[in-house]
Amino acid sequence: DTGVSQDPRHKITKRGQNVTFRCDPISEHNRLYWYRQTLGQGPEFLTYFQNEAQLEKSRLLSDRFSAERPKGSFSTLEIQRTEQGDSAMYLCASRTLAGTAIEVFGPGTRLTVL
Amino acid sequence: GEDVEQSLFLSVREGDSSVINCTYTDSSSTYLYWYKQEPGAGLQLLTYIFSNMDMKQDQRLTVLLNKKDKHLSLRIADTQTGDSAIYFCAEIPNYGGSQGNLIFGKGTKLSVKP
Repeated sequence: DTGVSQDPRHKITKRGQNVTFRCDPISEHNRLYWYRQTLGQGPEFLTYFQNEAQLEKSRLLSDRFSAERPKGSFSTLEIQRTEQGDSAMYLCASRTLAGTAIEVFGPGTRLTVL
Repeated sequence: GEDVEQSLFLSVREGDSSVINCTYTDSSSTYLYWYKQEPGAGLQLLTYIFSNMDMKQDQRLTVLLNKKDKHLSLRIADTQTGDSAIYFCAEIPNYGGSQGNLIFGKGTKLSVKP
C-alpha cells in the first residue's frame, strides 16, 4: 500500500452533468476525509467517514453532493448537476484513530466545469 | 479570530532562512501542522507539533509554538529552490473534546530566488 490514491486525476465536464470521484485510502485507516480547494485558498472540509459511517458534513456540502463509503474502504464523491462554481481540486485524506492524528492526502482530482 | 491566518507571500534568496508565520484559532487544539503543496499536487505533511511543546526541530525545519498568542511559525534553514511551494498551517480544533477535520490557512507562497 503506497498511500492514498484518487481517480480520476483530472475531469472536465459540462455544466449540468454528473461526476463521480473515487478515493482509495491507506488500508488500515479508519477515517476518510473529503476536502475542496479552490484557487488561492486552503483546503476546506466537506465531509468525513469513520469506517462506513458518515459522521459529519460541512455546510459546503449542498444537496447536489453525496459521498459514500459502503464497505469502510474506498469512498466516492458524486456531484449532480455540476455548476461552474464546483470547479476546484477535490482532495481525499485518511488517517488512523490510534496515535497521532496525521492525515495523509491523496494527489487530488481537478474538476473543471465548462 | 475565526480563521487560521497566514501571510500570503514570502520571497527569499537561496541559502537564507525562511520564516513562515501563522495565527490559529483554537487554544485547545492538540496538534498543529505544516503541510507543503507543490503546483498541481496534493498536500505533503512536513511536520507537526503537539500542543504541550514549545519547539520541534526536524533537520532543516524548526517549528515554534506560542500557545498564549496562538502563534505558530515554521523556519526553513538553508532554503533551496526545491523548497518553493505553498505552505499551509493547519489545526484540528478540539471542539467538545472530539477530533474532527483539519482547518487550514490560505497558504503562504514561498519563492526562492537563486
